[in-house]
Amino acid sequence: NAGVMQNPRHLVRRRGQEARLRCSPMKGHSHVYWYRQLPEEGLKFMVYLQKENIIDESGMPKERFSAEFPKEGPSILRIQQVVRGDSAAYFCASSPGQTQNYGYTFGSGTRLTVV
Amino acid sequence: KQEVTQIPAALSVPEGENLVLNCSFTDSAIYNLQWFRQDPGKGLTSLLLIQSSQREQTSGRLNASLDKSSGRSTLYIAASQPGDSATYLCMSYNTDKLIFGTGTRLQVFP
Repeated sequence: NAGVMQNPRHLVRRRGQEARLRCSPMKGHSHVYWYRQLPEEGLKFMVYLQKENIIDESGMPKERFSAEFPKEGPSILRIQQVVRGDSAAYFCASSPGQTQNYGYTFGSGTRLTVV
Repeated sequence: KQEVTQIPAALSVPEGENLVLNCSFTDSAIYNLQWFRQDPGKGLTSLLLIQSSQREQTSGRLNASLDKSSGRSTLYIAASQPGDSATYLCMSYNTDKLIFGTGTRLQVFP
């Protein structure tokens, strides 16, 4: 089991471009969480998804950010028209769903730099 | 709204010391609590998971306890080593939300 895979590991985008971050959960996991870690700050919740459903997106900025977790393929966090303030490390975690019995496994993160 | 705080924010100790890292949460209705370490520029490594029905978990030199009634979890690190240097995060899970603590930055020097 390869664990939670995130790619790319590093992403550089110019202001105004789009950033696409991918997260492949562990095999058998159908729940995905996305977190953002700003420089020198803690991890902040962004969105919680199950297959084909957004369960909780209360941590997502209202504009430019979107997330999906299709039936097939990885979860995608999409940031349109990136700005310097979007520069951060983005982590995803997955779980099998029985969250009170299982822990969460995090990916290594995608470090986004907006220039 | 769940708030999770960790003290101390930073800790610097000589190797060999036994350490106590504290995690406090405001909403005791948690399903479980998990401790992670994060190395600079790296992802999160899970250390210990304590389910709400449990009071402690142990793995090697690490021991984590959970007291829901007082809203506290403690991570004990025995005989600390320079390789333990990292940021330690606790995370609570309640009602579909994972909330991270503010972190403790640990440095163990030889």
